[in-house]
Amino acid sequence: GAVVSQHPSRVICKSGTSVKIECRSLDFQATTMFWYRQFPKQSLMLMATSNEGSKATYEQGVEKDKFLINHASLTLSTLTVTSAHPEDSSFYICSTISGSGFNGQFFGPGTRLTVL
Amino acid sequence: AQSVTQPDIHITVSEGASLELRCNYSYGATPYLFWYVQSPGQGLQLLLKYFSGDTLVQGIKGFEAEFKRSQSSFNLRKPSVHWSDAAEYFCAVGDGSGGYQKVTFGTGTKLQVIP
Repeated sequence: GAVVSQHPSRVICKSGTSVKIECRSLDFQATTMFWYRQFPKQSLMLMATSNEGSKATYEQGVEKDKFLINHASLTLSTLTVTSAHPEDSSFYICSTISGSGFNGQFFGPGTRLTVL
Repeated sequence: AQSVTQPDIHITVSEGASLELRCNYSYGATPYLFWYVQSPGQGLQLLLKYFSGDTLVQGIKGFEAEFKRSQSSFNLRKPSVHWSDAAEYFCAVGDGSGGYQKVTFGTGTKLQVIP
């Protein structure tokens, strides 16, 4: 399967600052990437679908101006949490698919964001 | 809308014992079903998937799952659990109608393995 990396793995920031999380597909070209948010003891919640060269598609209830997604190349998608607040603290995971995704998704290791 | 229910939040089994993790789904058509495993602080790894054909599917690490349409279930099984299987397991259902897989995850079952 595909290898997906995320950077950073862990970040602590002050309230009001912005944080950028990178998701890289290391061994194939990822046309589509997904961004998830996982709260403790809860499931993964899809935030948005990122397509290379076009605007991301956000799920209902996700603020697109707060969670900026850029997918400028076939190997890199970035999620920027703008003006972060403590309630944004969470585990953010990206994934990608090969083709239409019917063979499952390939997940990055996740980024733990803590906003003080 | 599709949904997934994993009724067991936490399960404890002895090493060497058999394991069954339950998963029930709701979907209007034939579903695409997945089981993923997540180790602490890690991303998810695909264990197995079902799209069509044989209702008993084999996955990695000795896991298997059986699709039962009449029960809307896709339970995960392993005949003999190893300590390294301790992790969180997520069942997921995929909707391929949009041209790609949009996946809905269950809330997960945390597996603890005792010696």
